[in-house]
Amino acid sequence: QQPVQSPQAVILREGEDAVINCSSSKALYSVHWYRQKHGEAPVFLMILLKGGEQKGHEKISASFNEKKQQSSLYLTASQLSYSGTYFCGTEGIQGAQKLVFGQGTRLTINP
Amino acid sequence: NAGVTQTPKFRILKIGQSMTLQCTQDMNHNYMYWYRQDPGMGLKLIYYSVGAGITDKGEVPNGYNVSRSTTEDFPLRLELAAPSQTSVYFCASSYRAGGYTFGSGTRLTVV
Repeated sequence: QQPVQSPQAVILREGEDAVINCSSSKALYSVHWYRQKHGEAPVFLMILLKGGEQKGHEKISASFNEKKQQSSLYLTASQLSYSGTYFCGTEGIQGAQKLVFGQGTRLTINP
Repeated sequence: NAGVTQTPKFRILKIGQSMTLQCTQDMNHNYMYWYRQDPGMGLKLIYYSVGAGITDKGEVPNGYNVSRSTTEDFPLRLELAAPSQTSVYFCASSYRAGGYTFGSGTRLTVV
């Protein structure tokens, strides 16, 4: 079942912070986050595994609440290059590594 | 390192025609995937493979077929193309519990 992302769209000024949420109705083994710029392929940002292990980038971090089957992506001091559509992908407990992606959150950063 | 290479980048098919979308990766990833992305939407899993000789259906497999004879190649076959198959197709690969590396995509139009 497809995870639900919120908000659907965000408009920020450069330097502001953003939070993007991803919620699933199923128990999760992992949550992935990707960024896609217009006309390009999605690019991997980070993965969060059941048990709390986290990988990420500077100024972009994420949390994973296993009990609530929710993940949040935090973008700090946003830069123009952060613009794009962000997707979470979720992997269920029993599944082979195959991700179900959310519908995406469009982030626009203005100067 | 080329990563994941998809060919062709663009294709126009007539209704009822068939074609094969090619996907090759040079990262020795065991896991490979085919997703489709309709305009303004998220990614839907068509088929995936956990290793050579092993394939399985995803969320939207109807009208497609795949094979995985080698670790590197994972072609997607469209039989009897229909307008509903107009989409952007992305191939991806990964290690177990790793982020996906996506190819640049194939933009397919069925007329």
